This record gives sequence, structure tokens and C-alpha cells, in this order.
Amino acid sequence: QKEVEQDPGPLSVPEGAIVSLNCTYSNSAFQYFMWYRQYSRKGPELLMYTYSSGNKEDGRFTAQVDKSSKYISLFIRDSQPSDSATYLCAMSLNDYKLSFGAGTTVTVRA
Amino acid sequence: DGGITQSPKYLFRKEGQNVTLSCEQNLNHDAMYWYRQDPGQGLRLIYYSQIVNDFQKGDIAEGYSVSREKKESFPLTVTSAQKNPTAFYLCASSSTGSSNQPQHFGDGTRLSIL
Repeated sequence: QKEVEQDPGPLSVPEGAIVSLNCTYSNSAFQYFMWYRQYSRKGPELLMYTYSSGNKEDGRFTAQVDKSSKYISLFIRDSQPSDSATYLCAMSLNDYKLSFGAGTTVTVRA
Repeated sequence: DGGITQSPKYLFRKEGQNVTLSCEQNLNHDAMYWYRQDPGQGLRLIYYSQIVNDFQKGDIAEGYSVSREKKESFPLTVTSAQKNPTAFYLCASSSTGSSNQPQHFGDGTRLSIL
């Protein structure tokens, strides 16, 4: 079993829809949770960074962490074609080592 | 503009050849990392360095080597001992090596076998 599981998709939604992405994990000791966005042939770009449980909102993006269920989510409201990318979740204990999901590919149709 | 520069963007390796991937950052970050990305898999850590002249193996260090002679530079050599080198290689850096400092990535080098 992988340490971090992420549905690879692909996920296709119409412009303006809410995109819902999620990851599950097995190590209950993870404390830091991240979401990265990766465009084709580019490096990952940090979108959201949260510590422990709870919600964090930044513009159209909301990250949720449910440590009791070992489940994290990213919601994108009012999705745009420019949101079409691969979204990677990542998490860490209390050091440098990140554990990544395999990524979910999202296409927002105009 | 501050950032991480990886070069070249594309690289081809012949059998038995060592190749070196460049990574330079002007963010004044202490910690630097090399990851490998394969289709359908998460990023896997090859090597990391928390400070100049010091580096540690990650999960998949076999067939790779690094150096950290300058704070801003962390080159990765893919040796002939790496039997499956075709992948997308990503360099990252963070202010320090602790988890409360997020990692930021360059735009990668795609390595292929001739």
C-alpha cells in the first residue's frame, strides 16, 4: 500500500464548476500538508500549505485537512481553463522529507 | 526575479555515459533537493543537502551523485550505473531543511536514453 494515495483521474469539468480533489494517507504522524499545481513540462508550483487539521482558503482555492480520517482535499471554485493542470498532494512529518501523491490531471473545458 | 533554474531542459544520454544536470537558485536558500518524477508515480527523493558541503541520500540514490560546493548550486550526475535513467528530474529548494519551510521547484530536466 502506498503511503499517499491520490486518484489519477483524469478529471474533466466545465468552466465555472467546482473541482474537488483529494488524497488519503496511511501515516497518522503527518503534520504538514501541501498542494502543488504542475503544468505540462513545468515544475510543481506550491498552491496551499497547511499545518495539522482544519481549513485554509486562498482566493478560489480551499484546502481541508481531516487528520482523524487521514484525508485531505483541495477545492477550486469557479474553475477556469487556466486551472487545467496536474495537482499533486504532498505531506511531511516534522522534517524535510515530503511524501507525494501521484497527481490528479484536471481539464477545465471552456 | 528570484527562482530556481534547471538546465538543460532536455538531455539525452548514451549507454555508458555520465551526464550532469544543473540546478542554480538565487533565493538564498540553505536546503536543496533532487527528485525524480515518473508517469503515474509521486515524486521520489534522490538526494538532499541542508548546507554547503553536506548532502544525504534520499530514497533512490543508487546510480546518482551530487555535490554542494556553493550555496546556490546543487548539480546532479546520473551515472552509467543508473540503469533506468529516463525520467523528469526536478530540483527544489527551501529556506531551511525543516518542514515548516515549503519547498519550491525548478522547471525540470527531461532525460532520455539514445
